[in-house]
Amino acid sequence: GENVEQHPSTLSVQEGDSAVIKCTYSDSASNYFPWYKQELGKRPQLIIDIRSNVGEKKDQRIAVTLNKTAKHFSLHITETQPEDSAVYFCASYSNYQLIWGAGTKLIIKP
Amino acid sequence: DGGITQSPKYLFRKEGQNVTLSCEQNLNHDAMYWYRQDPGQGLRLIYYSQIVNDFQKGDIAEGYSVSREKKESFPLTVTSAQKNPTAFYLCASSPLQTLHTYNEQFFGPGTRLTVL
Repeated sequence: GENVEQHPSTLSVQEGDSAVIKCTYSDSASNYFPWYKQELGKRPQLIIDIRSNVGEKKDQRIAVTLNKTAKHFSLHITETQPEDSAVYFCASYSNYQLIWGAGTKLIIKP
Repeated sequence: DGGITQSPKYLFRKEGQNVTLSCEQNLNHDAMYWYRQDPGQGLRLIYYSQIVNDFQKGDIAEGYSVSREKKESFPLTVTSAQKNPTAFYLCASSPLQTLHTYNEQFFGPGTRLTVL
């Protein structure tokens, strides 16, 4: 079945710097890749997504890139702010199911 | 809050007891899901249902049971057969999924279950 690996598990960046989180997937039939943000004790919230027919998508300070050949996709956050501190999850949609990465804890240092 | 509720927020039970977690949605979504989240890990699918009176096992269904008697409700029972039930449980709902088209899942606030 599908497997999603996410790196790094923890990322600490200076406020104002950029953050990049990377994921790889195994099922070439996967066609949708969302990114979720989860604050401590709260529910996951969708922040951006990309479909398999698109290589890049941007929404203000966040962007996602997809390389179908290499089966990896990445989340980019620019000009990081304190409110970006959270756990970020990537996921892959395959065979009616969302398969989730293990998460990246993003720490924004003041 | 997206119209999907879970109760209670915190639940404590003694080892060996069955416990049922509630999930209700008023979004008129056909599909509903139960996930388990452990510290430092992603969400793992327990069960999902795309239609009333039908549901499928996810990756970690052992020790859990569900029912889908109404479109709005998808309760999860954690049985005594579940070896490590202490976790954060998230319910979600979405419009009907197809093989090639994903419809966004909306999550409830979660229930934190602690087995003593």
